[in-house]
Amino acid sequence: EAGVTQFPSHSVIEKGQTVTLRCDPISGHDNLYWYRRVMGKEIKFLLHFVKESKQDESGMPNNRFLAERTGGTYSTLKVQPAELEDSGVYFCASSQDWGDEQFFGPGTRLTVL
Amino acid sequence: AQSVTQPDIHITVSEGASLELRCNYSYGATPYLFWYVQSPGQGLQLLLKYFSGDTLVQGIKGFEAEFKRSQSSFNLRKPSVHWSDAAEYFCAVGGGGYQKVTFGTGTKLQVIP
Repeated sequence: EAGVTQFPSHSVIEKGQTVTLRCDPISGHDNLYWYRRVMGKEIKFLLHFVKESKQDESGMPNNRFLAERTGGTYSTLKVQPAELEDSGVYFCASSQDWGDEQFFGPGTRLTVL
Repeated sequence: AQSVTQPDIHITVSEGASLELRCNYSYGATPYLFWYVQSPGQGLQLLLKYFSGDTLVQGIKGFEAEFKRSQSSFNLRKPSVHWSDAAEYFCAVGGGGYQKVTFGTGTKLQVIP
């Protein structure tokens, strides 16, 4: 069974540009989560989808970040416009039910110059 | 608010030597505690967890951790390290199982021959 996949693995953009990260959860997992790790800091929760609905978006840093999960399958996280402090590794995770173990993808490393 | 401290950013051990990675947490009630590992190019993988019961928890890959409430610690141990254990290790604490988990800043483990 395929695990959580994320695309791209790396992205380098300039300040002010737009970037879209994609996450494909494990098939059948209704719950999808986004996390971010800024360089040298802890991994922080961004938001949680249950199917296509946002269950908890308390960790989203500001309105430059937009997450979607149309159709309840894959999810995208758009950063527009990107700022220097957005650099870091963005992880996606999925779980079958709320409260189940979350399975993580390899992350997307975003560098904003 | 819950928090996790991993005081060691980087640790180097010789192959075959024992390992202990430190983790201290702050949480107002009985915590749910986790250790995750991230190998290069891989997602976070759950090594072990403590929810209740026996305070010495066995995990995958020969790892164990001990919950010490009096010290607010959940240190990870392995009696004999293998080169394949080189990775980054994250301690995490939560109040509701796998939900609302707070991660530490991680400890990078280097294994030398």
